Amino acid sequence: DQQVKQNSPSLSVQEGRISILNCDYTNSMFDYFLWYKKYPAEGPTFLISISSIKDKNEDGRFTVFLNKSAKHLSLHIVPSQPGDSAVYFCAASAYKGGSTLGRLYFGRGTQLTVWP
Amino acid sequence: GAVVSQHPSRVICKSGTSVKIECRSLDFQATTMFWYRQFPKQSLMLMATSNEGSKATYEQGVEKDKFLINHASLTLSTLTVTSAHPEDSSFYICSASTSGVIDEQFFGPGTRLTVL
Repeated sequence: DQQVKQNSPSLSVQEGRISILNCDYTNSMFDYFLWYKKYPAEGPTFLISISSIKDKNEDGRFTVFLNKSAKHLSLHIVPSQPGDSAVYFCAASAYKGGSTLGRLYFGRGTQLTVWP
Repeated sequence: GAVVSQHPSRVICKSGTSVKIECRSLDFQATTMFWYRQFPKQSLMLMATSNEGSKATYEQGVEKDKFLINHASLTLSTLTVTSAHPEDSSFYICSASTSGVIDEQFFGPGTRLTVL
């Protein structure tokens, strides 16, 4: 049962434009969401996260938006750069704060290609 | 940043043989390590969680006698696929954490297992 869904397997964007990667989830217990970036032959690396108490978190060119009522989150990359070309994974956890490492549920990933 | 390595990166074996995959945290001590499996075009699925010096906790549906996990030190965890069969062919990836904070989970590059 796929609790985290990334319905677009691929996205192609021109350099300088905005990239919007989408993610939906089904489990209402999820309260912490993360985006990971993965280059070929490397492991996923943490990019940005958001807690359910927020609806937006920004870090440089990367912004994550959370719509809890719709159980939807999105990652915006502005402006997109060729080096952003990678697979982006959305992940969710029922993380109740503190230091407990909750189990992560991953989406299938979206391959982003940024062309010059 | 924290580095996690996996060895081997790729392995091909005959059906019925056992394969050991190593996961090492190179510059930090990992109190917790996770093992994931990813089938083609599927998401990363957690197989088990291991804490140094204790038995691994397996996710539902994962056979603990088939996937042996040992976390004997704070820098090394091993996954042994016993009596491997073609359906075990997959991408196995580990992650490690030292702090228990969910954002601080560092992934290895993964191991591609092909069972003939």
